[in-house]
Amino acid sequence: DTGVSQDPRHKITKRGQNVTFRCDPISEHNRLYWYRQTLGQGPEFLTYFQNEAQLEKSRLLSDRFSAERPKGSFSTLEIQRTEQGDSAMYLCASSLDLKETQYFGPGTRLLVL
Amino acid sequence: QQQVKQSPQSLIVQKGGISIINCAYENTAFDYFPWYQQFPGKGPALLIAIRPDVSEKKEGRFTISFNKSAKQFSLHIMDSQPGDSATYFCAASKAAGNKLTFGGGTRVLVKP
Repeated sequence: DTGVSQDPRHKITKRGQNVTFRCDPISEHNRLYWYRQTLGQGPEFLTYFQNEAQLEKSRLLSDRFSAERPKGSFSTLEIQRTEQGDSAMYLCASSLDLKETQYFGPGTRLLVL
Repeated sequence: QQQVKQSPQSLIVQKGGISIINCAYENTAFDYFPWYQQFPGKGPALLIAIRPDVSEKKEGRFTISFNKSAKQFSLHIMDSQPGDSATYFCAASKAAGNKLTFGGGTRVLVKP
């Protein structure tokens, strides 16, 4: 399977704990995006990278959220001191530079108790 | 600020019927308008997309109609099939490779 992969697929954590998600984009895709989707809503943009550079961050991304793409390949999204409001599906997508189509992974569903 | 508004929230259609989903946008800088299909537990998958220089695009049973002056676009699913039962999202972006702004989604149920 050469699509976007995300790990883990599900995460249950207690409020206040830190969690980290991983995204592996399609090989050679230099743009990588993170979105958050709550139940019954459309995905909301969080941040995106071109290669290893983080080019844009949404105002939704509080100081507790941090994303990295250290070698321009996989990316990690960390949430510190999780809150119940962080419960959502976290989606990763990738695309080729200057190409419109974003290919989404299956998402990581986070539940904060 | 909801920049892309989608309606209806849900839709029930008989097999063989036509499903119509509408979206309206506010930002005139948007120039790329894709539609995504999402099944439960899966990520969204691109269905069809259009740019504002054309008023209609058709791919198989799926057609996008685009009205630039009204800032509206719609998805028509012809000859709807039970396998089309999914949630559909319209989206918009300012240019190729930029972030997508999604509508709220439409849950479509096709009854056999």
